[in-house]
Amino acid sequence: SYVLTQPPSVSVAPGKTARITCGGNNIGSKSVHWYQQKPGQAPVLVIYYDSDRPSGIPERFSGSNSGNTATLTISRVEAGDEADYYCQVWDSSSDHRGVFGGGTKLTVL
Amino acid sequence: EVQLVESGGGLVKPGGSLRLSCAASGFTFSSYSMNWVRQAPGKGLEWVSSISSSSSYIYYADSVKGRFTISRDNAKNSLYLQMNSLRAEDTAVYYCAVADWLNWFDPWGQGTLVTVSS
Repeated sequence: SYVLTQPPSVSVAPGKTARITCGGNNIGSKSVHWYQQKPGQAPVLVIYYDSDRPSGIPERFSGSNSGNTATLTISRVEAGDEADYYCQVWDSSSDHRGVFGGGTKLTVL
Repeated sequence: EVQLVESGGGLVKPGGSLRLSCAASGFTFSSYSMNWVRQAPGKGLEWVSSISSSSSYIYYADSVKGRFTISRDNAKNSLYLQMNSLRAEDTAVYYCAVADWLNWFDPWGQGTLVTVSS
């Protein structure tokens, strides 16, 4: 089965840039989607199709995907960005299934 | 405004059954595929099941295959998850989510907690 690997935690100072990686075998050939989840809340889609932003998501959020790594980049980080972030793909190699990364806790120092 | 409201969660003994519902409003329910995603306490997200707009295609995670059944009633704008032979490891918040078929999930409901314990 397809596995997505994220770092458990990332820390960044306010105003700096945070980068959260998502590793997977040839993930560059798949479409990667990213979700933000704050404590006690449902996840919210922040990036789809590797780098597209849904309406209402700040331009500070961007994404890229190549080779074996996809990256969510948050520029000019704010305190309100502190949350868990999950990457997700669809694996259709053997059977259709959704796959989530283990999640990354973003801490704003 | 899109609204997804899950219900049906609660405490159930191992081996028991539970039926979750997700009431949808604010969009053309019959045109969208739907999913269930769960999150065990303090853990990450786990995809559970997907159903296409007309119920023609249904997929399950290996962890629930043969025990859970996803269904929908487009006339009632509702999504369901029948959960049988429940185990302690099924304890989680269960979210329903609208899907771009075989792509992303957006938006999500607020979730309903299922606790499997004796």
